[in-house]
Amino acid sequence: RKEVEQDPGPFNVPEGATVAFNCTYSNSASQSFFWYRQDCRKEPKLLMSVYSSGNEDGRFTAQLNRASQYISLLIRDSKLSDSATYLCVGTQDNYGQNFVFGPGTRLSVLP
Amino acid sequence: EPEVTQTPSHQVTQMGQEVILRCVPISNHLYFYWYRQILGQKVEFLVSFYNNEISEKSEIFDDQFSVERPDGSNFTLKIRSTKLEDSAMYFCASSESSGTKGEQYFGPGTRLTVT
Repeated sequence: RKEVEQDPGPFNVPEGATVAFNCTYSNSASQSFFWYRQDCRKEPKLLMSVYSSGNEDGRFTAQLNRASQYISLLIRDSKLSDSATYLCVGTQDNYGQNFVFGPGTRLSVLP
Repeated sequence: EPEVTQTPSHQVTQMGQEVILRCVPISNHLYFYWYRQILGQKVEFLVSFYNNEISEKSEIFDDQFSVERPDGSNFTLKIRSTKLEDSAMYFCASSESSGTKGEQYFGPGTRLTVT
């Protein structure tokens, strides 16, 4: 079964903290990975793609380890507006079209 | 900034009725998708559509479901005879390409309630 698993959460952190999310995937054929965030009862919104070499976008850093089938997301200097559910996503197959979503990890950044 | 739009935002229907959910993908995107999310559960893939045909579908996407691109802008999901368990949020998404550059952009969703 092609699954994406995430830390169960929830994570409650103070403003300014650094928080790390972990994700593992079982389908070695998955080629592409993404992090999305989802606010309550809203659509998933793309946060960033995850590249094999690792990539950074402002306060956000994503890492991919294909050998361990492991993905991470690091948020530095967390803001109140970062409070959301973070979804780890992998593609189902080599064609990279059909997303398999993890269950998400809920983050609450507290003042 | 271009975005995916969906209508209606909320649809209430009786069990056994047909519903059509509508989506307008981002205009230069070539790949279209439907996902659903039952309340409190994870987002699940239903179907992908490319070049006017279904590329892939999940086991959820049975004979009760169909998709169509009736014109150059709309992409629809039809459920022929709704069941209580079809109650969920349905998200449409589109992408410019697939593979490593295949970021998918999601619409705001249609909340379907089957009574």
